[in-house]
Amino acid sequence: DAGVIQSPRHEVTEMGQEVTLRCKPISGHNSLFWYRQTMMRGLELLIYFNNNVPIDDSGMPEDRFSAKMPNASFSTLKIQPSEPRDSAVYFCASSLATVRGAGNEQFFGPGTRLTVL
Amino acid sequence: KNQVEQSPQSLIILEGKNCTLQCNYTVSPFSNLRWYKQDTGRGPVSLTIMTFSENTKSNGRYTATLDADTKQSSLHITASQLSDSASYICVVSPMFSGGYNKLIFGAGTRLAVHP
Repeated sequence: DAGVIQSPRHEVTEMGQEVTLRCKPISGHNSLFWYRQTMMRGLELLIYFNNNVPIDDSGMPEDRFSAKMPNASFSTLKIQPSEPRDSAVYFCASSLATVRGAGNEQFFGPGTRLTVL
Repeated sequence: KNQVEQSPQSLIILEGKNCTLQCNYTVSPFSNLRWYKQDTGRGPVSLTIMTFSENTKSNGRYTATLDADTKQSSLHITASQLSDSASYICVVSPMFSGGYNKLIFGAGTRLAVHP
């Protein structure tokens, strides 16, 4: 199993540009999470999908951020327009949610390090 | 106010020594508590998971303890190795979080093991 796959691993862009981060969850998993990690704030949940449907997007910072999951094997996180304060490492994680509210293990991808100049 | 507090922020130990990392949390009620290891440039990887009714869980040289009364957990690393150099993150899942396994992360303890 290849685990959660994210691309690109590194992204450097200029302020105002559109950025798209990609994630392929582990095959068979039905839950997908996008997280952001910074030195100041640690790991924060941005959005949670279950069976391709966004369930909790309360962590999405503002309208510049959007996420989609068109099918069970692919998700994107888009930032438009990007700002320097968006610089962080963005992680995608997936899990198999079998029981409502249970401690299902989340498996994290390697992350995308985003730098906005 | 952070719901999961970890100490120390950073720690340096010599190879072969033991160390203990601390986690205090206010999340209540909670479903489970995890310790994750995050190597530089990698995603977090789960080391241990304990439900609210468990007191201890081991994974090789890693032993986690949980005191639900005092809302404290610790991660003990025995006979440290250079490969233990990483950030260790305490993570708590609230019991009621909208029907899914929501994770609340601590800021982590950065451990450096020196030869």
